[in-house]
Amino acid sequence: DAKTTQPPSMDCAEGRAANLPCNHSTISGNEYVYWYRQIHSQGPQYIIHGLKNNETNEMASLIITEDRKSSTLILPHATLRDTAVYYCIALGWGSARQLTFGSGTQLTVLP
Amino acid sequence: DAGVTQSPTHLIKTRGQQVTLRCSPKSGHDTVSWYQQALGQGPQFIFQYYEEEERQRGNFPDRFSGHQYPNYSSELNVNALLLGDSALYLCASSLYGGGPLHFGNGTRLTVT
Repeated sequence: DAKTTQPPSMDCAEGRAANLPCNHSTISGNEYVYWYRQIHSQGPQYIIHGLKNNETNEMASLIITEDRKSSTLILPHATLRDTAVYYCIALGWGSARQLTFGSGTQLTVLP
Repeated sequence: DAGVTQSPTHLIKTRGQQVTLRCSPKSGHDTVSWYQQALGQGPQFIFQYYEEEERQRGNFPDRFSGHQYPNYSSELNVNALLLGDSALYLCASSLYGGGPLHFGNGTRLTVT
């Protein structure tokens, strides 16, 4: 699976949009971009995934560049409960379901 | 719709002992994976079970073994515990053909 690169930390004001970038310049055509987050002492929580089209669900939006070399996770109205480590992971479809977690981005939402 | 459940939530063992951790997958899922997360690090893949067989394995010694039952639930066994086995053990379930993995909240194992 392709390596991903994320900034180690980011701050965001409560109520504002949080935009978390991820670089995956070596991603292959059959690899999806997955986002998870982990709040302290809990298991990772699935947020969203996409292949090449932008995706939106009740938690977030995922914007993938046309060349698929980078993506941005958008939390439209961040709350204090969104403070967590966010992981961007490239993962192929099919039976090989081994997630490789990098260091992630520590997002701190400030009051 | 029940998510992934793990038991126990916390466990304290002594070096050299053996431990069994349990996981019930999310309803509808047929594949279970186990991860180890040391303090301050990201989760590391241990192994994956599907159709009661180990399908993939990460870089973990044979002291780590598992089992999957016909109802898709799974166990992680660790023998001859070391201090370095202290970690949060996470179970994730998914469909074998693809789709997102969903995690439980883990079992915190402390080895003294």
